[in-house]
Amino acid sequence: DGGITQSPKYLFRKEGQNVTLSCEQNLNHDAMYWYRQDPGQGLRLIYYSQIVNDFQKGDIAEGYSVSREKKESFPLTVTSAQKNPTAFYLCASRDSHSGNTIYFGEGSWLTVV
Amino acid sequence: AQSVSQHNHHVILSEAASLELGCNYSYGGTVNLFWYVQYPGQHLQLLLKYFSGDPLVKGIKGFEAEFIKSKFSFNLRKPSVQWSDTAEYFCAVTPKAAGNKLTFGGGTRVLVKP
Repeated sequence: DGGITQSPKYLFRKEGQNVTLSCEQNLNHDAMYWYRQDPGQGLRLIYYSQIVNDFQKGDIAEGYSVSREKKESFPLTVTSAQKNPTAFYLCASRDSHSGNTIYFGEGSWLTVV
Repeated sequence: AQSVSQHNHHVILSEAASLELGCNYSYGGTVNLFWYVQYPGQHLQLLLKYFSGDPLVKGIKGFEAEFIKSKFSFNLRKPSVQWSDTAEYFCAVTPKAAGNKLTFGGGTRVLVKP
């Protein structure tokens, strides 16, 4: 089945540790995104990538890093510099052939303890 | 930069009641507009979208939305809700000229009482 796969679904991390969230898509979409979802704040854009080997900061990039070495993959690293990392993280990709509709993965819950 | 505002954070209503969720955006140019829904325990799904043409857009599960350009609004409606419509609803906008950045509103949690 075509889609966006995020892993892990649930992750616990100790303060001071970096953690990497995986996102893979087999939709052949060029653009990929990472959003963070917090209650009452909707979804906020962390990073996005329009093409392989290129990415841009979103609205809340501080404390995060990404890479885009392959079209299918866009991993997000939550670094120890992120002040409030506990959140629900959503990966997405964009279908530029249908009016730029964005499709989402199932999300990853990160809890920092 | 564009922004999106959803007026209600929480809505509680009974089955068969009508639902209308407000969404306003701020952006000077032409936009594509979306409503996404997130059912409990599930991922975000596209409910409907507007690109051009008829400003009244019909989506899945009996939902519709009307784009009123003069008001920068894209309100979501459903004439008669069901318990299964309990979910969080997000309005989103992306500029047509630069479709790379989708901006979301804060979301509205809808609880439909059986």
